[in-house]
Amino acid sequence: GQSLEQPSEVTAVEGAIVQINCTYQTSGFYGLSWYQQHDGGAPTFLSYNALDGLEETGRFSSFLSRSDSYGYLLLQELQMKDSASYFCGTSGGSYIPTFGRGTSLIVHP
Amino acid sequence: NAGVMQNPRHLVRRRGQEARLRCSPMKGHSHVYWYRQLPEEGLKFMVYLQKENIIDESGMPKERFSAEFPKEGPSILRIQQVVRGDSAAYFCASSDRARGDYGYTFGSGTRLTVV
Repeated sequence: GQSLEQPSEVTAVEGAIVQINCTYQTSGFYGLSWYQQHDGGAPTFLSYNALDGLEETGRFSSFLSRSDSYGYLLLQELQMKDSASYFCGTSGGSYIPTFGRGTSLIVHP
Repeated sequence: NAGVMQNPRHLVRRRGQEARLRCSPMKGHSHVYWYRQLPEEGLKFMVYLQKENIIDESGMPKERFSAEFPKEGPSILRIQQVVRGDSAAYFCASSDRARGDYGYTFGSGTRLTVV
């Protein structure tokens, strides 16, 4: 089976940098993905890490350490519109994406 | 290129009725996944289908729930004799491959309310 742990809530101010951590336990591992979901909206794909290290896409970066079964999503220059839920997910040997419970990010002015 | 289309967006059913949720994947995508999301919770996998085949239904309740993805037409998630506990948002995602390397595209979901 697979399980993922992430904080339930993170708060930050506009313009700051915030890191959302994700630890996972999985039988078989192909990669760690991140999705953003605004209230009432569809989850949207942000990033995917198959190898150790940092992947950067604009203001968002994602990191993976396979040996530590750990990853994080880094959001820089926070904007109010970044207030949303963020989910980490893994695809194990069955290729079925399994997601954590999500982290609610609240950005204050 | 339209995204993943789900309908209806909102569905209200009385206890004991049937609910039918539809999902049309992105053009060219043959892999469809259904997820259920309860308030303040994450996305729980229900079933994975390819055209005309159920690949993995390990997350779907054995009773009252069924899913199909026919050769022609959308994928359907069917819930018979709905109960209040079935109230949730149901999302489908599609992909052109089994691996998640390039991400899954989700639809906007169907919010089912059972009264």
